[in-house]
Amino acid sequence: KQEVTQIPAALSVPEGENLVLNCSFTDSAIYNLQWFRQDPGKGLTSLLLIQSSQREQTSGRLNASLDKSSGRSTLYIAASQPGDSATYLCAVRRGGADGLTFGKGTHLIIQP
Amino acid sequence: GAVVSQHPSRVICKSGTSVKIECRSLDFQATTMFWYRQFPKQSLMLMATSNEGSKATYEQGVEKDKFLINHASLTLSTLTVTSAHPEDSSFYICSAAKPLGDYGYTFGSGTRLTVV
Repeated sequence: KQEVTQIPAALSVPEGENLVLNCSFTDSAIYNLQWFRQDPGKGLTSLLLIQSSQREQTSGRLNASLDKSSGRSTLYIAASQPGDSATYLCAVRRGGADGLTFGKGTHLIIQP
Repeated sequence: GAVVSQHPSRVICKSGTSVKIECRSLDFQATTMFWYRQFPKQSLMLMATSNEGSKATYEQGVEKDKFLINHASLTLSTLTVTSAHPEDSSFYICSAAKPLGDYGYTFGSGTRLTVV
């Protein structure tokens, strides 16, 4: 059974810092990996999607990497801003028609 | 884009009653939709896979008679929580994917269910 772990569980940093969120998964047989952002009481916003054959994806200040063989992904946030404060979720998909397995998330607070 | 609308966003119901939650794909047809549940400070857990025109597939430990899923059209899936109990209080959220492409899954805005 796939298990997804996110470290750290919570993180509080001053504005402007670069930071790295970690995600690991136990079964490397994945179709893709997706990073989401969840604001309190809200739905999920997709940030980056990495296919199993890809190594990384970038969108603005966000960069996500994938090392499928070792079961790891990282989300890099450059020049953090208070608006980045949210819970960041990592999720993997086993097959093309399968649902997602989520980690518990990293609760991020960016101090102004 | 790919937009998924979920309704209602919040609902309070009495124990023993049933509640229906709707999930609609607004700008694409979704043959498959997924339903998740999230308890406080926990990860989202997949409950079931909803397939248009056929029975839903439930994850282990999810009672299919309690959580009724209907996917009668390519743009609408519904989750009905029957005979709700306080322990069913949770955040329920649906997702869907545009076919013919690796776009990832788009999620609805979720429904906060409180059973009193």
